[in-house]
Amino acid sequence: DQQVKQNSPSLSVQEGRISILNCDYTNSMFDYFLWYKKYPAEGPTFLISISSIKDKNEDGRFTVFLNKSAKHLSLHIVPSQPGDSAVYFCAAWDNYGQNFVFGPGTRLSVLP
Amino acid sequence: DGGITQSPKYLFRKEGQNVTLSCEQNLNHDAMYWYRQDPGQGLRLIYYSQIVNDFQKGDIAEGYSVSREKKESFPLTVTSAQKNPTAFYLCASTQSSGNTIYFGEGSWLTVV
Repeated sequence: DQQVKQNSPSLSVQEGRISILNCDYTNSMFDYFLWYKKYPAEGPTFLISISSIKDKNEDGRFTVFLNKSAKHLSLHIVPSQPGDSAVYFCAAWDNYGQNFVFGPGTRLSVLP
Repeated sequence: DGGITQSPKYLFRKEGQNVTLSCEQNLNHDAMYWYRQDPGQGLRLIYYSQIVNDFQKGDIAEGYSVSREKKESFPLTVTSAQKNPTAFYLCASTQSSGNTIYFGEGSWLTVV
């Protein structure tokens, strides 16, 4: 039973447009969320995080929005660049299990 | 440079053999983790350790073993009991519970 879901396995976006990657979670005890970017055969790299006391966090072209009542978060990338093409993982901190729970990932392709 | 070093990057193993993947970090992080990624899938937690000489099973611990004798080292042994060991293995660490998790570059294990 997946506690962190990324329902879109893949997404294609034109260069310069906005990319929106979605993530849903089921456990209301999750209180810290992170987004990671992963290229093939490399380790994931941290992009941005958000605590449950906030509903938005921005860092350059990346913005994460959190809707606690809907148990939903999203990552916005504006403007999208070809170098953003990668797999994006959403992760949540499980306070009870004391570990991170990752979603299955969404493959983003930014087309020139 | 601070970081997480995994070795080897590529490893081939014959069926029935045990193999150990190394993970070393010089970030002075307390917690360390091992994840497995299969093609087209997300990250699944194998084992994690919050402090030296202590570790817990993750979601898919069967067929794996770990040790945490030193803070900076968290080797993973893939035993012959692991039925489908071919995968990409990622080691990670955090300064303390709930903080941003950082990953190594990963190790490819192929059983031949």
